[in-house]
Amino acid sequence: SAVISQKPSRDICQRGTSLTIQCQVDSQVTMMFWYRQQPGQSLTLIATANQGSEATYESGFVIDKFPISRPNLTFSTLTVSNMSPEDSSIYLCSVVKVVGEKLFFGSGTQLSVL
Amino acid sequence: EDQVTQSPEALRLQEGESSSLNCSYTVSGLRGLFWYRQDPGKGPEFLFTLYSAGEEKEKERLKATLTKKESFLHITAPKPEDSATYLCAVQAGPGTASKLTFGTGTRLQVTL
Repeated sequence: SAVISQKPSRDICQRGTSLTIQCQVDSQVTMMFWYRQQPGQSLTLIATANQGSEATYESGFVIDKFPISRPNLTFSTLTVSNMSPEDSSIYLCSVVKVVGEKLFFGSGTQLSVL
Repeated sequence: EDQVTQSPEALRLQEGESSSLNCSYTVSGLRGLFWYRQDPGKGPEFLFTLYSAGEEKEKERLKATLTKKESFLHITAPKPEDSATYLCAVQAGPGTASKLTFGTGTRLQVTL
């Protein structure tokens, strides 16, 4: 298994500001992902965090809006930039220890933008 | 494009009343189908992975089955602590590594 610590657990932010979410795993993992879960909707993959290189973004998500870092095999950050109320959502870090096997999820960051 | 549809959206059961949740999918080359449980304010918790039609897996009161078009999560004699949202996800196609496509989930409430 993998123990994932995600911070902050929740935040309320003003429009136009940025928030950085941290994801720390208790052991080295092969892959790290960032998901968004909007109210009443399914989990949507934002990007795959690649160690030492630029993240791979899914359609509809761009680096300027959601910059991601992954400096090593156990840590990643997601920044939500220039926030608007439409960014209010739960953001989830997830990891895979073995490619093709199950994802483990962090407890999520509940973001509200006013 | 991969699609996952879960039904019903919400289900209310009395304790001991067995039922099934459905997950239908349309994918190109299924590599795995996953079931997760999500409690309010928490991330999804892994339950099962199914890889091929006909496969079944069980854990306590839960049993997951898979056909070529859908998966069922059977809940036998549920208890209030089984109340949660149950998510289905598929992993498909070549080169997709571990990316999953999720359904919107079924919110289960079990009452005394």
